[in-house]
Amino acid sequence: KNQVEQSPQSLIILEGKNCTLQCNYTVSPFSNLRWYKQDTGRGPVSLTIMTFSENTKSNGRYTATLDADTKQSSLHITASQLSDSASYICVVSLPSAGNNRKLIWGLGTSLAVNP
Amino acid sequence: EAQVTQNPRYLITVTGKKLTVTCSQNMNHEYMSWYRQDPGLGLRQIYYSMNVEVTDKGDVPEGYKVSRKEKRNFPLILESPSPNQTSLYFCASSLSKTGYNSPLHFGNGTRLTVT
Repeated sequence: KNQVEQSPQSLIILEGKNCTLQCNYTVSPFSNLRWYKQDTGRGPVSLTIMTFSENTKSNGRYTATLDADTKQSSLHITASQLSDSASYICVVSLPSAGNNRKLIWGLGTSLAVNP
Repeated sequence: EAQVTQNPRYLITVTGKKLTVTCSQNMNHEYMSWYRQDPGLGLRQIYYSMNVEVTDKGDVPEGYKVSRKEKRNFPLILESPSPNQTSLYFCASSLSKTGYNSPLHFGNGTRLTVT
């Protein structure tokens, strides 16, 4: 069964600290993996995308890694800020079939950054 | 500003009273989709549309209808809402149904309560 599992479910860190969020998937075949950030009361916003041939992708203080062999991805946040408080959702895309995007969504990790 | 606009943001209604949630995008995107987000279940696709007059069911279409008469608009219709449709709804659009450079752009959500 195609699944995306994220850990931890929730995380609290102090402002300025680093943290790493995990995403394990059992999706096959695999097209790409994307991380979204969802602020409270807002829709998700894309942070990074990687295909199986990309190991690392950065977007400012956000760095995503992908190990296609072990089917694991991580999102590392450096020097956290209060504005990083959000839910981070991992989503894996299957190769397109028909007219739809086939996406397998994780449940997200809820991050709280405290002053 | 490029955006997906949903209305209303909050809606409380009673069982059986027909309602429509509007969605409009100004990015000339071909692909549009509706999702619902529930605790512990994540984002689940309701309906999607690849182009004008082309719509199809997602994973949880029961109790919902959509239409795509114009490229920019994709309303979600609940003909006879029931309490199990209480949820947070998101409209999303993307340039195409697939693609590395085609992330989903989400609206800010509609929180629906059916009593």
